[in-house]
Formats: sequence, structure tokens, C-alpha cells
Amino acid sequence: GDSVTQMEGPVTLSEEAFLTINCTYTATGYPSLFWYVQYPGEGLQLLLKATKADDKGSNKGFEATYRKETTSFHLEKGSVQVSDSAVYFCALVNTGGFKTIFGAGTRLFVKA
Amino acid sequence: DVKVTQSSRYLVKRTGEKVFLECVQDMDHENMFWYRQDPGLGLRLIYFSYDVKMKEKGDIPEGYSVSREKKERFSLILESASTNQTSMYLCASSPGSTLTEAFFGQGTRLTVV
Repeated sequence: GDSVTQMEGPVTLSEEAFLTINCTYTATGYPSLFWYVQYPGEGLQLLLKATKADDKGSNKGFEATYRKETTSFHLEKGSVQVSDSAVYFCALVNTGGFKTIFGAGTRLFVKA
Repeated sequence: DVKVTQSSRYLVKRTGEKVFLECVQDMDHENMFWYRQDPGLGLRLIYFSYDVKMKEKGDIPEGYSVSREKKERFSLILESASTNQTSMYLCASSPGSTLTEAFFGQGTRLTVV
């Protein structure tokens, strides 16, 4: 079945450091790919998405590119802030479906 | 903006009680979902619904049931609460079209004592 694998955390960075959170997926068909963010004590909210190969999703300085050849959707940010501390989930929805398949989540801590 | 509202942020219930978690969405979405979130296990799908009165089991339906009598409301029911159901519960909704993102409520942290 479809699945999403993302790097285990926690990831601890200093403010202004470069962030990469790796995500790979297994899916038949042509899924849409998503990154969600969960701030402490809150539900998940969509951070960015990409719907086809080579699409780049971006929001709030975060970027991720849909790489079909490597089945990856890595999240990057050039300069993190303390306010970026949260849990990040990589996810997919596959063709013909509406259920979201989530990765396990990666907790990010950013130190001032 | 889409709004998904869960009836409680925090609940404390006793073992054996019947517990109702309510979720309401205001964007006329066809699909609604209940997840539980536990440390180290990510999000696990309990039940989902793609239409009024329709429901499908997710990955971990045991000990739970759901009700969807109106399009905007999706209820999760713990028939007889147990301590291993202490968790964060997240409701979500999405439009009927495929390949779209889900919109989440703020979560209900349930503690069963």
C-alpha cells in the first residue's frame, strides 16, 4: 500500500540555520504531496503542496519539490526562526482517493 | 477560511464511560476523518466518512464508532472508554474531489482515568 517515510527527529537547529527534512514516498499512480505543520497544542495546518512531478510548493520561506524519479519531497528552509519550532508531517493523497497518508512526523526545535 | 471545530480542547473521563467527541465543519465538505495522534506513532486513521450516513473503518477502529447524520457534523464515540484511549484526537475534512488537502480542527486531548 501507499506509505510515507520521513526522517526521525527531533531536529535541533540554531536560529538562521538551514533546514532539510527528508521525505520519501511509495505510491502507485500520481499522488499529490503535502507538508503539514503542527504548532504546540494545535491541530495540523497545510504548509505547502505539489500536485505533479517537478512542481515546487512554497510558503513562509519553506520549499519542497516533487521528485518523481527519486519519489521524494524534501522540505527545506534557508534560515529558520524560533517560531518555526513545530512538528512537520509529510503526506500524500493518491489518484482516485481522498484519504491522506501521513509520515510519522519530525519535531523541529530552533534555539535562539 | 475553512473552519473545523472540535467541541472540546481537553476532556477527562472515567474508565467505562461512553464518550462523545464532536466535530463540525463549515465548508460543505463531503469527506470527514477522525485520527488519533500518539507520540512516536504519528497520526492513525480511526474512521472516515465520504457522505452523510456513510462510514468506513480506518486503520484502528476497534473500540470506536462514528455517526454522521448531517453533512457538517461527524461524531466519534468511545463506547466504553479505556485508559489506552488516552490520546490527542484530531478531526479533519476535505472536499469531495480527490487529491486535495485536509483541513484540521484544533484537536481534543482526552485523558481516561
